[in-house]
Amino acid sequence: QSVLTQPPSVSAAPGQKVTISCSGSNSNIGNNYVSWYQQFPGTAPKLLIYDNNKRPSGIPDRFSGSKSGTSATLGITGLQTGDEADYYCGTWDTNLSAYVFGTGTEVTVL
Amino acid sequence: EVQLVESGGGLVKPGGSLRLSCAASGFTFSSYTLIWVRQAPGKGLEWVSSISGSTNYIYYAESLKGRFTVSRDNAKNSLYLQMNSLRAEDTAVYYCARGSLRTIPEYFDFWGQGTLVTVSP
Repeated sequence: QSVLTQPPSVSAAPGQKVTISCSGSNSNIGNNYVSWYQQFPGTAPKLLIYDNNKRPSGIPDRFSGSKSGTSATLGITGLQTGDEADYYCGTWDTNLSAYVFGTGTEVTVL
Repeated sequence: EVQLVESGGGLVKPGGSLRLSCAASGFTFSSYTLIWVRQAPGKGLEWVSSISGSTNYIYYAESLKGRFTVSRDNAKNSLYLQMNSLRAEDTAVYYCARGSLRTIPEYFDFWGQGTLVTVSP
């Protein structure tokens, strides 16, 4: 059972915006950086956001990250069919001395 | 170009052992924390273990301590995961990934393609 909670699924029409929440606690999100990963079926995860809100080279600015307190949010604007994938948040948990992933969110483009 | 290539997966009986390898190239291997992450069929990502470049910082998921051992050979640019006393619930795709230059794993920017481990009689 993950210590980071995400909604199981979110959906929106093409061109619209979706946000994915990631809820944790002071021992993880509250005091550590959050990263976000995109995963298509049968493929390895891909880093989308690191250090709460930074994008690696090559990630479009349609993807954004933010953090407030013990929660983090991934935003995807200008939704495209190619964005249909699973998305995971992750962070270090100081109490557990372990990295923790969120439960995962499936994004569907209507 | 950064590349990570896992190998060593396969079918193993419950109680058996397996050693996974991850061959890395395209970056200064000894400087980076590396990790193992697994994903059971139809399930989410589960962090397994991480090891810093100098091997001074090694961490495991609590549920796996005592059965799994992570190691690395900086001279061979290789990461390993020794898995003992395997159980059916260890069945998963195992990924290696590159962490940051920091000692604790905070994000993982390059991933291997994964290797499937199946634990079954």
